Amino acid sequence: GENVEQHPSTLSVQEGDSAVIKCTYSDSASNYFPWYKQELGKRPQLIIDIRSNVGEKKDQRIAVTLNKTAKHFSLHITETQPEDSAVYFCAASRPGAGKSTFGDGTTLTVKP
Amino acid sequence: GAVVSQHPSWVICKSGTSVKIECRSLDFQATTMFWYRQFPKQSLMLMATSNEGSKATYEQGVEKDKFLINHASLTLSTLTVTSAHPEDSSFYICSARIETDIGSPLHFGNGTRLTVT
Repeated sequence: GENVEQHPSTLSVQEGDSAVIKCTYSDSASNYFPWYKQELGKRPQLIIDIRSNVGEKKDQRIAVTLNKTAKHFSLHITETQPEDSAVYFCAASRPGAGKSTFGDGTTLTVKP
Repeated sequence: GAVVSQHPSWVICKSGTSVKIECRSLDFQATTMFWYRQFPKQSLMLMATSNEGSKATYEQGVEKDKFLINHASLTLSTLTVTSAHPEDSSFYICSARIETDIGSPLHFGNGTRLTVT
């Protein structure tokens, strides 16, 4: 089955700095890669996603890059703000499989 | 759109009793729903895939007789934790997606905090 590894497990940055979280996946058939943000005690919510037919996607301060050959994808957050502090999960899924495999999560702390 | 509602948000029960958790897709139909368990500061662990009108698919190591799943309609799946024990205390969260051919995000319920005393 699919295996998703996520690094780092914790990340602390100063407000205004950039944060990068990286994930690798094992199943070359996976074609959908979402990123979720989970605040303490709340549900995970999608912040950005990318499909295998593109290499990069950007939404304001958030961007995701995908390298299909190397089977890794990354989340980039620029100009971080304290409200970006949360746990971020990457995931990967195959077409039609339904279920997603999640990384172990990264706890991001943005210091004001 | 794509709202998933989960109830209750928290429940405390005594050891040996059963607890039912409901997961509803409010504005879309979901033939498949997913049940996760999350321990503090850990990732989402998929327990089972709930399939409307058929048996759920359980992940390896998850006891199907302990975690009963019923998906009787296109908008409702239930998870019943039977004969609960303190080690079953956890955060349970369901999710569903608007099904497409090209991949779509999961929409999560608010989660249920289960405490077994």
